Amino acid sequence: QQQVKQSPQSLIVQKGGISIINCAYENTAFDYFPWYQQFPGKGPALLIAIRPDVSEKKEGRFTISFNKSAKQFSLHIMDSQPGDSATYFCAASMGNTDKLIFGTGTRLQVFP
Amino acid sequence: DVKVTQSSRYLVKRTGEKVFLECVQDMDHENMFWYRQDPGLGLRLIYFSYDVKMKEKGDIPEGYSVSREKKERFSLILESASTNQTSMYLCASSLTTLVQPQHFGDGTRLSIL
Repeated sequence: QQQVKQSPQSLIVQKGGISIINCAYENTAFDYFPWYQQFPGKGPALLIAIRPDVSEKKEGRFTISFNKSAKQFSLHIMDSQPGDSATYFCAASMGNTDKLIFGTGTRLQVFP
Repeated sequence: DVKVTQSSRYLVKRTGEKVFLECVQDMDHENMFWYRQDPGLGLRLIYFSYDVKMKEKGDIPEGYSVSREKKERFSLILESASTNQTSMYLCASSLTTLVQPQHFGDGTRLSIL
């Protein structure tokens, strides 16, 4: 019930293409869904986050789509660039705690 | 900018040794966290702390303990290191106000021989 399932494990995309990473959860008490980006040799950093009162949030080329009834959310990276090559983690938490439950990560490689 | 500093980038220890991993944050954050990161398993929470001298178990606390004597410093202790504790260890901190982003250090890659 506390898990966040993330797919795919790895993703290869051509420059300019769309990268899509999916996450699913079971616990309906989750009310905060961030995505973290991690470059090799660095710690993860917050990329974008959404709350379940909206179905979509966009920041530049990065968009979170949220489907509350299906208990799924996804990260879309438009016009993917080689500089986007990194590992992406989805996560979830409940409002009464600062504890995050992370997905297993997706390694994205964008080739020129 | 928030800075979370982990004392060692790489560490090699022997089985049975007591190992200390140190983490310091410079933004007066109340919350501090220790995770381990393993391929295919993502980030798993070991312990976290909401305040000085306060600690709570995460999802995989077995074989670990923590210490938080000062607000800015959170230590992870491997009481008797074992080979299955070879991993990347990440420290993070955050404010308590509503849900705030966690700021991560760059990790300590620990090898237990």
